[in-house]
Amino acid sequence: DQQVKQNSPSLSVQEGRISILNCDYTNSMFDYFLWYKKYPAEGPTFLISISSIKDKNEDGRFTVFLNKSAKHLSLHIVPSQPGDSAVYFCAASDGTGFQKLVFGTGTRLLVSP
Amino acid sequence: DTGVSQDPRHKITKRGQNVTFRCDPISEHNRLYWYRQTLGQGPEFLTYFQNEAQLEKSRLLSDRFSAERPKGSFSTLEIQRTEQGDSAMYLCASRALAGGYNEQFFGPGTRLTVL
Repeated sequence: DQQVKQNSPSLSVQEGRISILNCDYTNSMFDYFLWYKKYPAEGPTFLISISSIKDKNEDGRFTVFLNKSAKHLSLHIVPSQPGDSAVYFCAASDGTGFQKLVFGTGTRLLVSP
Repeated sequence: DTGVSQDPRHKITKRGQNVTFRCDPISEHNRLYWYRQTLGQGPEFLTYFQNEAQLEKSRLLSDRFSAERPKGSFSTLEIQRTEQGDSAMYLCASRALAGGYNEQFFGPGTRLTVL
């Protein structure tokens, strides 16, 4: 079963506007969430994370929001830039000592000039 | 470059052959993970090492797969008798041992194609 879901396979946004990428999870044991960006032929690059004790974390143009009651998180990119065009993966960890990551299927973001 | 490195970047092999991939983690990271990513999917966890000890293996890791981290530094992932279904991107990630949560840093991956 897919414990982490990204229901939008793609998103198109104009440069300068806000990009909002969404992620839902089903496992209530998840307590640490991350967003990764991936370009073709490269490994995922860490963007931003949030622990379950917070509901918001901000880093420059990137903000992650967590709604634990809805088991939903979102990544906001403001303002969007063409270089942000990539596949974005949401990932979650259940807080065990191993902290293996469970990934969603990704959302392809295209930012047009 | 002090990031995670993987070798080779691409591997094409015929069905039934054995292949081995190498991962060199960030030097001070003692936690190492292997993931597999197939087309249209996110990375899926395969196995985890803390230093040289392999502490967790996914059920995705069949008997044909074996991973080692002999000195707690680099790691190898071997696939024996490859099948076409093994075609995927194999990703390695490392993480520092520290209190609390911290992110995993990924290498560029090894893309395996089994003909």
